[in-house]
Amino acid sequence: DQQVKQNSPSLSVQEGRISILNCDYTNSMFDYFLWYKKYPAEGPTFLISISSIKDKNEDGRFTVFLNKSAKHLSLHIVPSQPGDSAVYFCAATFLTDSWGKFQFGAGTQVVVTP
Amino acid sequence: KAGVTQTPRYLIKTRGQQVTLSCSPISGHRSVSWYQQTPGQGLQFLFEYFSETQRNKGNFPGRFSGRQFSNSRSEMNVSTLELGDSALYLCASSWGDGYEQFFGPGTRLTVL
Repeated sequence: DQQVKQNSPSLSVQEGRISILNCDYTNSMFDYFLWYKKYPAEGPTFLISISSIKDKNEDGRFTVFLNKSAKHLSLHIVPSQPGDSAVYFCAATFLTDSWGKFQFGAGTQVVVTP
Repeated sequence: KAGVTQTPRYLIKTRGQQVTLSCSPISGHRSVSWYQQTPGQGLQFLFEYFSETQRNKGNFPGRFSGRQFSNSRSEMNVSTLELGDSALYLCASSWGDGYEQFFGPGTRLTVL
């Protein structure tokens, strides 16, 4: 039962433009969401997170938006750079209960072209 | 400071065998989680250990087991390997507060 879904397996974007990655979830009890970035042959690295009490969190070129009513979050990367080419995973968890148990999406492969 | 380390990095086994994977967390981290990554499935949660106790478990069969030692190092064991167990196994460590996990590079297991 996939509770976190990333419906776009891949995304191609030109350098300097905006990358928008989407993630949907089914469990309304999730209260903390994260985005991870993964390069080949490396483990995922934490990018940015958002608590369910917020609808936006920004960190440099990365902004995460949360729409609780739609059970949807998105990651915006502006401007996109070649080094952003990687697989991006969104993840969700329950901070008040399931410590350490994160539900991950299947990932979106981002390719930034010059 | 040193990151999360996993050994071995690559492993080839045959069906029916068993395998043990090892994970050393970042110093001071008490929580270790294990995930299985397969193409198209993303990361599937296996289990999480905190202070030598299994605190959470995913929906995997009993062939998958783990443990954590007093120094927070963790091992994962898979018995009676099946072809479908071929995957990248990732471990992640954290302080245990559930906010952020730091991942190791993974162990690539191939079952023939």
